Amino acid sequence: EAQVTQNPRYLITVTGKKLTVTCSQNMNHEYMSWYRQDPGLGLRQIYYSMNVEVTDKGDVPEGYKVSRKEKRNFPLILESPSPNQTSLYFCASSPLGGPPVGYEQYFGPGTRLTVT
Amino acid sequence: LAKTTQPISMDSYEGQEVNITCSHNNIATNDYITWYQQFPSQGPRFIIQGYKTKVTNEVASLFIPADRKSSTLSLPRVSLSDTAVYYCLVGEPPTGTASKLTFGTGTRLQVTL
Repeated sequence: EAQVTQNPRYLITVTGKKLTVTCSQNMNHEYMSWYRQDPGLGLRQIYYSMNVEVTDKGDVPEGYKVSRKEKRNFPLILESPSPNQTSLYFCASSPLGGPPVGYEQYFGPGTRLTVT
Repeated sequence: LAKTTQPISMDSYEGQEVNITCSHNNIATNDYITWYQQFPSQGPRFIIQGYKTKVTNEVASLFIPADRKSSTLSLPRVSLSDTAVYYCLVGEPPTGTASKLTFGTGTRLQVTL
């Protein structure tokens, strides 16, 4: 089954304790992305990756790191989490290219992170 | 990146047609318009995309006027299961160049009996 998986689904942590949220896709997609979703603010892109070893900042990259060492995996790293990073996080992937491919991003189930 | 503006919320009765309009006044020549649907506690799901005129699939229709400064997602005969948040997204697809994607705040559609 084609899917994007995220782990963990729920995480409660304390300020300053480094954490990693994993994201994996089995569709051989080049493009992967992380979003955070907060009430009233919609979805905001954190980082994206065009392919292995190619990453770039989205709209809200501060406080986050990513890596893309393998095509299927795109972990999100919070080196020193703070309470303002409490949010719902989504990973997504899509193929590269113009129409008809490239527009349909496949989203993971989400990771709800609470930083106290 | 083109900024999008959508109504915050809409209400509809089951069986009616629902039209959700998205404004994107500074859309660029290479930008396409894509709509996503999101149910609570789930990731967004692709509905439809288009560049100009009208696009229709089994789920919805997308109307884009000639100036492309707005677009309208049309959901025919909605049911309770269409209650969700709908996002309009304007930008280039990931083709190897500009690939930052910006979602708006979405339109919360509530369908009732």
